[in-house]
Amino acid sequence: EVQLVESGGGLVQPGGSLRLSCAASGFTFSSYAMSWVRQAPGKGLEWVSAIGSSGDSTNYAASVKGRFTISRDNSKNTLYLQVNSLRVEDTAVYYCAKAAYGWYLLDYWGQGTLVTVSS
Amino acid sequence: DIQMTQSPSSLSASVGDRVTITCRASQSIISSLNWFQQKPGKAPNLLIYAASSLQSGVPSRFSGSGAGTDFTLTISSLQPEDFATYYCQQSYSTPPTFGQGTRLDIK
Repeated sequence: EVQLVESGGGLVQPGGSLRLSCAASGFTFSSYAMSWVRQAPGKGLEWVSAIGSSGDSTNYAASVKGRFTISRDNSKNTLYLQVNSLRVEDTAVYYCAKAAYGWYLLDYWGQGTLVTVSS
Repeated sequence: DIQMTQSPSSLSASVGDRVTITCRASQSIISSLNWFQQKPGKAPNLLIYAASSLQSGVPSRFSGSGAGTDFTLTISSLQPEDFATYYCQQSYSTPPTFGQGTRLDIK
């Protein structure tokens, strides 16, 4: 059974940083691209970032480019999102998601971790 | 970026009704269109991929159609567990983009 478990969210002041993690199990992690998708309270879904299976290729939404960094450790079956220079508008539930094939067909999602940016 | 526009934004229907949600892309995405269902407090769940392929484990009352810029999600006979928010998403190009969502409520 595919499982994705996010952690690392919390309350942080504007300008602060966090590192989100996503522990994967139930599939060959190193064979699939992975994404982070976020959802602000009461709002829709927004793709944030993606990383290829080997970790050599990454993509970012314009809204987070230069502030967020996606990475993965295939030896630990874990996906990461380093979030820096946080803004109030980054407040959201952050989901990690596995790609079925290619980069953006997201077939399994974690339960999400809440990041709240507030002073 | 490719803009995805869903209609309607909200919809009230009854158990047993046939419901159709539409999604329009701002440019052709061939058939790279996916549909998700999301219930409150839960992660999105993939229902349909590549415009018309049913994801494993999803009931056959869900179906998708379309190509190019215009797509539809149809639920043939609404069940109580289908009341949720539905999102379309294009996986054709970077950045992948979602529609704004369609909230399906009980009438």
